[in-house]
Order: sequence, then C-alpha cells, then structure tokens
Amino acid sequence: GAVVSQHPSRVICKSGTSVKIECRSLDFQATTMFWYRQFPKQSLMLMATSNEGSKATYEQGVEKDKFLINHASLTLSTLTVTSAHPEDSSFYICSARDSAGGYEQYFGPGTRLTVT
Amino acid sequence: GQNIDQPTEMTATEGAIVQINCTYQTSGFNGLFWYQQHAGEAPTFLSYNVLDGLEEKGRFSSFLSRSKGYSYLLLKELQMKDSASYLCAVISGSARQLTFGSGTQLTVLP
Repeated sequence: GAVVSQHPSRVICKSGTSVKIECRSLDFQATTMFWYRQFPKQSLMLMATSNEGSKATYEQGVEKDKFLINHASLTLSTLTVTSAHPEDSSFYICSARDSAGGYEQYFGPGTRLTVT
Repeated sequence: GQNIDQPTEMTATEGAIVQINCTYQTSGFNGLFWYQQHAGEAPTFLSYNVLDGLEEKGRFSSFLSRSKGYSYLLLKELQMKDSASYLCAVISGSARQLTFGSGTQLTVLP
C-alpha cells in the first residue's frame, strides 16, 4: 500500500534556529503533497499545498517566509521552519496524493517539534 | 467558506454500537472521509463516501447524504482500542484539499 514517511519523528530546537522536516512518498509518485499542523486536542489545520516543480500555495494566515516549502521531486517535499519560536511547537503532519489519480491522501507519521 | 461540525466528545461501552455524526457546508463537494487518530499519531483512513448511501467495511460503516450535508460513522462491537479521535474531512474545490472537522474524541469504557 501507499506509504509516506516523515523525518525526523521528533525534534527539539532552540528558539531562533531553523528546522527542516522531510516528507517522502515511498512507493508512489506525488505531484501534490500537503502540510498540516495540529495543536494538542485540536484538529489538523492545512498550512500549505506543495506542488512539484512550482511554488507552494499557502493558507490564509500562514507566513510563507517562515514556513519554507520545497517540492523538488515527485517523492519528496520539505518544510523548513525558520527562526523557530516556542509558539511554533506543534505536531506537523504531511500527506501525499498519488499522481496516478484518486482523492485519497496518504498521511505520514508526523513530526513533533518542540522549540525551547 | 467551509464549515464542518461534529461532536467534541462521546463515550460508549465495550461491545456497544456508537454513531458519530458530521454535518458540513461546502462548495464543490468531491467526497467525505473519515479518519481515526490515536494521540500522537497520524490519521489513518477509515472510509470515503462520494455517493449517497451506506458503505460497510467490517465493524465500521459510513453513511452520506449529500442533499442534507450529513454523514455518520457507525462503529459496531466496540473494543477498547477504538478509543481515539475520529475526524470527518471533506474534499472540495479544484485543488481537492481536505478540510477537517474538529474531531470527536471517543472513549470506550469496559
């Protein structure tokens, strides 16, 4: 079945530093990947839609200069949280949609970011 | 805009049946998903409905009425491991984005 990996699974960083999170589709190609953020006891909030070979589309209220997204290949998208602050601490989840078609999104296992 | 409503919490007893409702308002509807999410983990796919009616898959069934903007997830023969958050999500628009409801935290009691 379709598998999506994320790396790292957990990361702790100091305030002001940058953190890169990778999202990979392991057994399918994904023209489109999605990045979500989830705070404790809340639902997933879409941050941005990542399109291979083009600029990401950010949701309203998400700073594109702070959350840099790169989707350089059909199997890899990266999210870089720049100049991280404690309020950026959250659970970041990516998903990927198979380029072969269909509406289903396959979710990665998530990355727990803690900014101290 | 889009609006998805589902109850915040539900409690049920092991072996029982529970129905989790979801109502939505959206334009360009392309289907509705139900996901299960355990704390600290990513959501896992349960069901996808795009046509009206009931889809049954083992202990889980999902129903959709597009005219009413309504869906429910039915869980039978509840087990302790079914304690989790259940997310209703609607896919819509040309970008086929998923919009999630706030989730229903189900607690199964012995």
